Amino acid sequence: GAVVSQHPSRVICKSGTSVKIECRSLDFQATTMFWYRQFPKQSLMLMATSNEGSKATYEQGVEKDKFLINHASLTLSTLTVTSAHPEDSSFYICSATAIDSSYNEQFFGPGTRLTVL
Amino acid sequence: GQNIDQPTEMTATEGAIVQINCTYQTSGFNGLFWYQQHAGEAPTFLSYNVLDGLEEKGRFSSFLSRSKGYSYLLLKELQMKDSASYLCAVLDSNYQLIWGAGTKLIIKP
Repeated sequence: GAVVSQHPSRVICKSGTSVKIECRSLDFQATTMFWYRQFPKQSLMLMATSNEGSKATYEQGVEKDKFLINHASLTLSTLTVTSAHPEDSSFYICSATAIDSSYNEQFFGPGTRLTVL
Repeated sequence: GQNIDQPTEMTATEGAIVQINCTYQTSGFNGLFWYQQHAGEAPTFLSYNVLDGLEEKGRFSSFLSRSKGYSYLLLKELQMKDSASYLCAVLDSNYQLIWGAGTKLIIKP
């Protein structure tokens, strides 16, 4: 149980285009979903936290107009990287906590590797 | 500020035992997690400690001392597939997960 999927797993796009990444909890309802970014050989950096039906909470330094988050249901959150630039190339990972979780364990999706040319 | 420290890299031999330490200073404490992350993949959950003591789960064990702000992950009977980064993370008083930078574990035959 507690499976989180992400789509696409890998995307290459041109500079200036927008990219949408989907995160789904497949077999549980997620209270909260998290979006992380990870650069090579670095730790996870939390970008934003989102709850279903409400606006996402962005971490300091993360542009909310550039990284649009929509948490439409208890099983789906999307991250849209708008007007992507080469410096946005990174590994984007989502995670989710289950409604019935006893200690707020985060279950991670497999990640999306974004390359902006 | 909030801070989590763990060694950057460790090397161990196949079949041996290795202990990865983690010290933390956070605003409040609601539990400590260990995650394993293979290169190019997302983290996977290994363990959770909220009370002092040792939690054993197969070849992996995790220890916590809240008074010392200290935890360790113990890996026994090391296998080559254990080569990965091990991330320590603490849930603070706001239930926000604070991540360490991770320890890259290299297993040699």
